[in-house]
Amino acid sequence: GENVEQHPSTLSVQEGDSAVIKCTYSDSASNYFPWYKQELGKGPQLIIDIRSNVGEKKDQRIAVTLNKTAKHFSLHITETQPEDSAVYFCAASRNDYKLSFGAGTTVTVRA
Amino acid sequence: GAGVSQSPSNKVTEKGKDVELRCDPISGHTALYWYRQSLGQGLEFLIYFQGNSAPDKSGLPSDRFSAERTGGSVSTLTIQRTQQEDSAVYLCASSPDRGITYEQYFGPGTRLTVT
Repeated sequence: GENVEQHPSTLSVQEGDSAVIKCTYSDSASNYFPWYKQELGKGPQLIIDIRSNVGEKKDQRIAVTLNKTAKHFSLHITETQPEDSAVYFCAASRNDYKLSFGAGTTVTVRA
Repeated sequence: GAGVSQSPSNKVTEKGKDVELRCDPISGHTALYWYRQSLGQGLEFLIYFQGNSAPDKSGLPSDRFSAERTGGSVSTLTIQRTQQEDSAVYLCASSPDRGITYEQYFGPGTRLTVT
């Protein structure tokens, strides 16, 4: 089955700086890569996703890049704000519904 | 509108007892998923329901776990003879027809503690 590894496990950044989270996956047939944000006491919420026919996607301050050859994808958050503090999960899927999640990255934005 | 709701929010049970966890998906969503989130871990896929199709149960960790979805809406996850390793947050998600969008909308989860 699919194995998704996520790094780093924790990330502390100064407000206004950028944050980068990286994930690798094992199943070359995976074609859908969503990123979820989970705030304390809440369920994860989709923030951005990318399909394998696209190399990069951007939505305001967040962007995701995908390298299918190397089987890795990354989340970039620019101009971080305190409300960006949360746990972020990457995931991969070959069939759109059965998501394999990374272990998560706890992001702390220091004011 | 209303999101995915789960009940109870917290459940403490003794080892060996059975528990039932409930999920109310977003109205009109045809797909429903159950995940397990252990402390400090990612989400582990358990089971997937899509309309009237046979569910994908490939993620259920043992035959003590079962789930049903009645009338294409509410779902119940049942854990029989609970063990301490079953302690985790159980998350439910729903999504519209996957031919349209793939976003899964998660509920707040049920925190299960087995003592």
